Formats: sequence, C-alpha cells, structure tokens
Amino acid sequence: KAGVTQTPRYLIKTRGQQVTLSCSPISGHRSVSWYQQTPGQGLQFLFEYFSETQRNKGNFPGRFSGRQFSNSRSEMNVSTLELGDSALYLCASSLGGPSSTIYFGEGSWLTVV
Amino acid sequence: GESVGLHLPTLSVQEGDNSIINCAYSNSASDYFIWYKQESGKGPQFIIDIRSNMDKRQGQRVTVLLNKTVKHLSLQIAATQPGDSAVYFCAEKRNYGQNFVFGPGTRLSVLP
Repeated sequence: KAGVTQTPRYLIKTRGQQVTLSCSPISGHRSVSWYQQTPGQGLQFLFEYFSETQRNKGNFPGRFSGRQFSNSRSEMNVSTLELGDSALYLCASSLGGPSSTIYFGEGSWLTVV
Repeated sequence: GESVGLHLPTLSVQEGDNSIINCAYSNSASDYFIWYKQESGKGPQFIIDIRSNMDKRQGQRVTVLLNKTVKHLSLQIAATQPGDSAVYFCAEKRNYGQNFVFGPGTRLSVLP
C-alpha cells in the first residue's frame, strides 16, 4: 500500500511569508505527527494529530500550526517565516496506539531566503 | 525544542563486517524504542523496534539490544553492505501519543 505522501517536496519562500505543507498518511492510519529536521538541532517534534484533534505539541512558537481533516490528511502552516525555519519538515503516520510505529514520508524541503 | 545533542558521530566499517551503533536515552520512563535509517535526501525509514519489556529483538540482519539499567540501546547490523551506508537514529517514546524523541544520529560509512 502507498506510504506517507508529502507535498510539495521542495519550496523556497521569502522571510515574512507563510507556507502550508501537506501530508497524506498511510491508508488506515489516524495519527499524523510532524517533525522538523535541521543539521544543528536534529529531528524535533512539532505536533501530533489524532482524529482531527491535536494530541501532543512540541516546544515550537505559535507561528507553527497544523490541522487534520476527517480523512486523516494533515497540513502544517508556518507564518511569518524566519531564516531559521529553513529545514526538512517530516510527516509521520501511525495507527495511533500507545506503541504504534510511526512511518515517515520523504519530507518537504523548505528554504527561507 | 528538545535536542539530545548536536554532534553526529561517524562509524566506518569494512564491507562484510558487523556494525554496532549505540544510543543513550535519557528517560527511564520511555517504554518504546525504534531505530531508523535515513539515506541522503530521504525520510527516515523504519528498521526495527523494541518495547521496554524486552532485552533483545532480531530482524533480518539486524538486532536491537536494550539495557534499561544504563539506559542504552544498540543496533547491530550483520555482514554490513554498501547499501547500509546512511545515518541511523534511535528514537524513544516518552508520552502518550506519538511524541518520539530522537537521538543525534550516527553516520555509518561502509568501506569497500
């Protein structure tokens, strides 16, 4: 079956703009989580959605937000982009249970100039 | 955000040798652990997982060992191949839901 799909794969934005990234989870998965990956900070948890509700949130400013739709697809939005937001944004999906494995997509590469 | 560290250790092994990648985790309450492999330009790929009620789990050419006493996790790769070259991450699950905390990663280079 199809894996986690993220769009767009690559994008370039200007400081101050906003961006929306999209994620389609594996069929049947109800949990979607988002991570930011940078060379300096590694992989850091942004937030997790389960059945359209945010269930967990990492330590990121309010400029980072997300949502999940009834078909489990998810979007994340970053407003007022800063240079430091340049990163690989990874989406992961799972069944959502306490010890469910999370499976990653290929990520969206965001460059802020 | 949380960060286990900034330094990315590198392990170089000869093709055909066994590789051992280590990871120290910080939370004794963590109950689920996963190893991921990330190749350049790709997302992390699931390799193997282990729950805290186990000490060892084997997969195809890979074995994960968990030592809860010293909060240490290791990934053993048998007969390392060039296709194993990648960055390997351990991840620990701390809270309810899907909040995994990732280690800094280890770069594995397989020498011909």
